[in-house]
Amino acid sequence: DGGITQSPKYLFRKEGQNVTLSCEQNLNHDAMYWYRQDPGQGLRLIYYSQIVNDFQKGDIAEGYSVSREKKESFPLTVTSAQKNPTAFYLCASSIPNLGLAANNEQFFGPGTRLTVL
Amino acid sequence: AQTVTQSQPEMSVQEAETVTLSCTYDTSESDYYLFWYKQPPSRQMILVIRQEAYKQQNATENRFSVNFQKAAKSFSLKISDSQLGDAAMYFCAYRSSVLQGAQKLVFGQGTRLTINP
Repeated sequence: DGGITQSPKYLFRKEGQNVTLSCEQNLNHDAMYWYRQDPGQGLRLIYYSQIVNDFQKGDIAEGYSVSREKKESFPLTVTSAQKNPTAFYLCASSIPNLGLAANNEQFFGPGTRLTVL
Repeated sequence: AQTVTQSQPEMSVQEAETVTLSCTYDTSESDYYLFWYKQPPSRQMILVIRQEAYKQQNATENRFSVNFQKAAKSFSLKISDSQLGDAAMYFCAYRSSVLQGAQKLVFGQGTRLTINP
């Protein structure tokens, strides 16, 4: 079955440590996204990538880094510079925007819950 | 920058009745997409319904329909014959139609819907 997988489901980090969240998709989508979800704030965009070896900052990129070496993979690193990393992280993917008539829905993974101890 | 506002943090409805969730947005663009996503307790984001701004006809998907008021920048979701499985967080989201590879979503804060048996 095609879809998006995220691992781990739960992740615990000590203060000062970097951690990497995995996101893999087998939908053959070019575009991938990382969102952060906090209670009462909805989802906010961290980083997105339109194509392999290219990515752009979203609205809350500070303290995060990404790479896009393969079409299927878009890992997110939460660095020690992120002051409040405890949150739920969602990865998504979509085909490129092909115009008004295109069905370019974003598909979401199951998420990773990160807790800083 | 576009913004999306959901003014109802929580709503409840009796099973089999109808409920309407509100969403307003702010944009200077004339062409765009609007979405309603559902997030059940599993936290998996599921697309409920989509509306293209250039279409005057309101979108419908089985028991789910929208009331799209472009001039008022309003996009409400109506759920008819509510079922226990409809209990979830509902997010309204906006996406520009500007032609580019990735399509960033701007989310509202969410509305938690409870279904009373």
